[in-house]
Amino acid sequence: GAVVSQHPSWVICKSGTSVKIECRSLDFQATTMFWYRQFPKQSLMLMATSNEGSKATYEQGVEKDKFLINHASLTLSTLTVTSAHPEDSSFYICSARGRGLDTGELFFGEGSRLTVL
Amino acid sequence: AQSVAQPEDQVNVAEGNPLTVKCTYSVSGNPYLFWYVQYPNRGLQFLLKYITGDNLVKGSYGFEAEFNKSQTSFHLKKPSALVSDSALYFCAVRDIRGDKIIFGKGTRLHILP
Repeated sequence: GAVVSQHPSWVICKSGTSVKIECRSLDFQATTMFWYRQFPKQSLMLMATSNEGSKATYEQGVEKDKFLINHASLTLSTLTVTSAHPEDSSFYICSARGRGLDTGELFFGEGSRLTVL
Repeated sequence: AQSVAQPEDQVNVAEGNPLTVKCTYSVSGNPYLFWYVQYPNRGLQFLLKYITGDNLVKGSYGFEAEFNKSQTSFHLKKPSALVSDSALYFCAVRDIRGDKIIFGKGTRLHILP
């Protein structure tokens, strides 16, 4: 149980375009989802926390207009990188915590590698 | 503010030898502590956690970790390393009053055949 699916796994786009990454909880209701960004050989940086049906809470230094997060249902959260530039290239990972499933740990998606040309 | 320190960027261990990956933490209250493993271009897999109870916690793939409150440490251990254990390991902490999980910078574990 507690499977989180992330799509796409890989995406390459041109500079200036927008890219949407989906994060789905497959067998539980994700009341809270977290979006992380990971640079090569570095740790995970928390970007934002989203609760179903409410606006995401962004960490300091993360541009909310650049990284749009929507958590419209209990099984789906999306991250849209708007007007992407090469410096946005990174590995983005989502994680979720569920209703009745808060045993402390997070369940992670497989990550999405974004390359902006 | 909560934080996690993993003092070693890389740990090299010969196959069959015991391994230890170090982690220390700082939280304002009682901690939830976690270890995750990451393989190349993959998400994180949960290994084990400490919430309360016994200080020695056993997890997946033969790993265990010992919670030491006085030293604020939560080192990951395995009695006999396998080559397949080679990966990036993250220690993480959550303040039980909060929602966020904060990760250490990670330690790359190399098991030498």
